[in-house]
Amino acid sequence: ELKVEQNPLFLSMQEGKNYTIYCNYSTTSDRLYWYRQDPGKSLESLFVLLSNGAVKQEGRLMASLDTKARLSTLHITAAVHDLSATYFCAVGTSRGSRLTFGEGTQLTVNP
Amino acid sequence: SAVISQKPSRDICQRGTSLTIQCQVDSQVTMMFWYRQQPGQSLTLIATANQGSEATYESGFVIDKFPISRPNLTFSTLTVSNMSPEDSSIYLCSVEAGVISGANVLTFGAGSRLTVL
Repeated sequence: ELKVEQNPLFLSMQEGKNYTIYCNYSTTSDRLYWYRQDPGKSLESLFVLLSNGAVKQEGRLMASLDTKARLSTLHITAAVHDLSATYFCAVGTSRGSRLTFGEGTQLTVNP
Repeated sequence: SAVISQKPSRDICQRGTSLTIQCQVDSQVTMMFWYRQQPGQSLTLIATANQGSEATYESGFVIDKFPISRPNLTFSTLTVSNMSPEDSSIYLCSVEAGVISGANVLTFGAGSRLTVL
């Protein structure tokens, strides 16, 4: 059974600081997703990572994938309040679009 | 990418009743997925709904409790039957919508927040 674990689950940080969210998964996967969820809203797709060493960046967020370690990271650079949200990683397998989600990391960026 | 509309957006229900959630997509899609997000928790896949065939349920979810309809390529319903307080969750519909870097990306509806008293 595929398990996906994120840490930390809760993160409170100051504006301007850097931090990394980690996503570990238990079995071989062919793709990894990062999603953002604002309170009361649905999920917004941020990144799709497909291969070992893949790195994607959008604004202050950068995601990377190490398939050998079964680890993905979401790095936040110079955080701003607008990044406050819950971030989920999700892992896909060869069984189509079925995704297994991590527990989510609730990020709060304080002014 | 596809636009998904879910109804109701929220509801408060009595124990023992059933509620049907509707999911409408603005384009034809092959597969639709129903997820549950319990309070403060992650998303768990309930079932995959294909048009013209029975839904495929994940371990721990059964058709009697969560019957699903998929009458056409743009619409699906999920019914939560004989509800108990443990069914209080957000139920999300999702579809494959668009391709990024060669991988299908799931787009999610806004969710239906159910509270069972």
